[in-house]
Amino acid sequence: DIQMTQSPSSVSASVGDRVTITCRASQGISSWLAWYQQKPGKAPKLLIYAASSLQSGVPSRFSGSGSGTDFTLTISSLQPEDFATYYCQQANSFPLLTFGGGTKVEIK
Amino acid sequence: QVQLQESGPGLVKPSQTLSLTCTVSGGSISSGSYYWSWIRQPAGKGLEWIGRIYTSGSTNYNPSLKSRVTISVDTSKNQFSLKLSSVTAADTAVYYCARLMVYAKGYYFDYWGQGTLVTVSS
Repeated sequence: DIQMTQSPSSVSASVGDRVTITCRASQGISSWLAWYQQKPGKAPKLLIYAASSLQSGVPSRFSGSGSGTDFTLTISSLQPEDFATYYCQQANSFPLLTFGGGTKVEIK
Repeated sequence: QVQLQESGPGLVKPSQTLSLTCTVSGGSISSGSYYWSWIRQPAGKGLEWIGRIYTSGSTNYNPSLKSRVTISVDTSKNQFSLKLSSVTAADTAVYYCARLMVYAKGYYFDYWGQGTLVTVSS
């Protein structure tokens, strides 16, 4: 099974800050990676797929990069509505799709 | 706009079978190259993929749950369903249904239901 490890597990930041979250796969997954945002009591929302493709309707301040085993989600200028938990997901290795443990973005 | 809605009992007794249904609206469950999936999330924890189904009936399950899970589809009702047998307290979680889109051999959850809390308790 492919394990997905996110870091940090939490980050404190202020509005306007640039925030970077990292996801590492236990083996190469090419560009088969997604990022999701989850707010309390809500379902996750797809932000980025195929490592760097922005889902329709998602603000351009969100961007993704990486391939192989190391991936990054960047929020270029943090907005109040961006405080949430973010998950990465490896998207190709069946029979098991796996998620990272999550990164909570908190208000500083 | 595709919408998904989970339904089913919120309380299940230990050793019994958890049964949930996901109703898809805003589009046919049979149209396009989509899979339909279940994911769960225990309180305060991360996301765990349970399994997926294609409208042909083809399924894949999380190996850790495979012996207890059945996912089925009813295209006439635009629904798909989850059954998880022999439940324990460890199965207590919010259960989500979701659409799985395929892009360049990758599988991504692009639409989600709101989630339903299932508690396993006597």
